[in-house]
Amino acid sequence: TQLLEQSPQFLSIQEGENLTVYCNSSSVFSSLQWYRQEPGEGPVLLVTVVTGGEVKKLKRLTFQFGDARKDSSLHITAAQPGDTGLYLCAGEMGAGNNRKLIWGLGTSLAVNP
Amino acid sequence: NAGVTQTPKFQVLKTGQSMTLQCAQDMNHEYMSWYRQDPGMGLRLIHYSVGAGITDQGEVPNGYNVSRSTTEDFPLRLLSAAPSQTSVYFCASSLNRVSTGELFFGEGSRLTVL
Repeated sequence: TQLLEQSPQFLSIQEGENLTVYCNSSSVFSSLQWYRQEPGEGPVLLVTVVTGGEVKKLKRLTFQFGDARKDSSLHITAAQPGDTGLYLCAGEMGAGNNRKLIWGLGTSLAVNP
Repeated sequence: NAGVTQTPKFQVLKTGQSMTLQCAQDMNHEYMSWYRQDPGMGLRLIHYSVGAGITDQGEVPNGYNVSRSTTEDFPLRLLSAAPSQTSVYFCASSLNRVSTGELFFGEGSRLTVL
């Protein structure tokens, strides 16, 4: 059973379109991270959201953490080919030395020129 | 800045062979870890270390050994390679001594076991 569900699994869109990627769980997370991974590279952190209801913007990317801290979304406005990649979410669970990251399987995004 | 450096980038092994994947970071990070990434399985934690001389198991440790003799280096050893260990391996480090800070990943090591 996957603790962190990402949807959609695959997404192929045209340049200039908007899109939203979702990261859902029945568990509560103390924080949630979003990473982007390009082919042949390791994941790179985009943002960390900590507070329920928090919204963070990174240029054309908008990240939201659900009020109950069980879900998160990533919205990209006017997608560009450079946004192509695998988007991963990772939620922090536990406390003290038992803290750990739970990873989603990712959303593979292709933005076509 | 080099960040996290992994070697080799590609490796082909025969079943039963042993090898070591190297990982080095130059950011003075306390936390280092090894993940494997497989289609449909996502990133899975193999082993991790919260500082020199301290290592612990992740969720898929069987068939792998690690050591942390220095802050900079965290090699991953495959004792007797099996086809099920065919994967892309990532080393990741974090400034804090916990696993949930911002992770800096290496470029990955693609391993094929025949």
